Amino acid sequence: GAVVSQHPSRVICKSGTSVKIECRSLDFQATTMFWYRQFPKQSLMLMATSNEGSKATYEQGVEKDKFLINHASLTLSTLTVTSAHPEDSSFYICSAREGGRTGELFFGEGSRLTVL
Amino acid sequence: SQQGEEDPQALSIQEGENATMNCSYKTSINNLQWYRQNSGRGLVHLILIRSNEREKHSGRLRVTLDTSKKSSSLLITASRAADTASYFCATDLSNDYKLSFGAGTTVTVRA
Repeated sequence: GAVVSQHPSRVICKSGTSVKIECRSLDFQATTMFWYRQFPKQSLMLMATSNEGSKATYEQGVEKDKFLINHASLTLSTLTVTSAHPEDSSFYICSAREGGRTGELFFGEGSRLTVL
Repeated sequence: SQQGEEDPQALSIQEGENATMNCSYKTSINNLQWYRQNSGRGLVHLILIRSNEREKHSGRLRVTLDTSKKSSSLLITASRAADTASYFCATDLSNDYKLSFGAGTTVTVRA
């Protein structure tokens, strides 16, 4: 099956720094990618929809200046958590929609962010 | 926003037994999907059922959908230790792949 790679899988940073998380579709072109956030033992909350070549669409309550999303190519979307604080610590997961006939959705392995 | 609610929150069964979990949602949907998540990992797609379907099977998995009750169930038959994971239902309201996830059911299969 198709593979979506997220990097880094784990990151620890100091409060106030910015962290970039990459989401790559390895063997297919992803017209759309989605970013989710998951707190421990909770569900996934959709943060934003990322379309290649256009601005991301953010869900209500998600600060676009805090969570910068860039979808520069059909295989890469990045999420940058700017000026991270401890409350931003979470598990971030991306999913990518295959742009061909099937349009299937594939999830990355997630990135665990810990802000000290 | 989170649309689905799952029941039970946690389930512990003996290997070989069946596991059943339910998902209820609030608004009309285009399709409903079930995913599995092992601890600290990404999601694995299990099965998708469309709004005009009532039941689907995939291996040891059986999913039902009752749109009149706005509910779905996932049955895992003859469970194995490797089935230990969290299971989430997710609804797609308009076939745009923007999924709204339920709270999940944590299943523990005892050997």
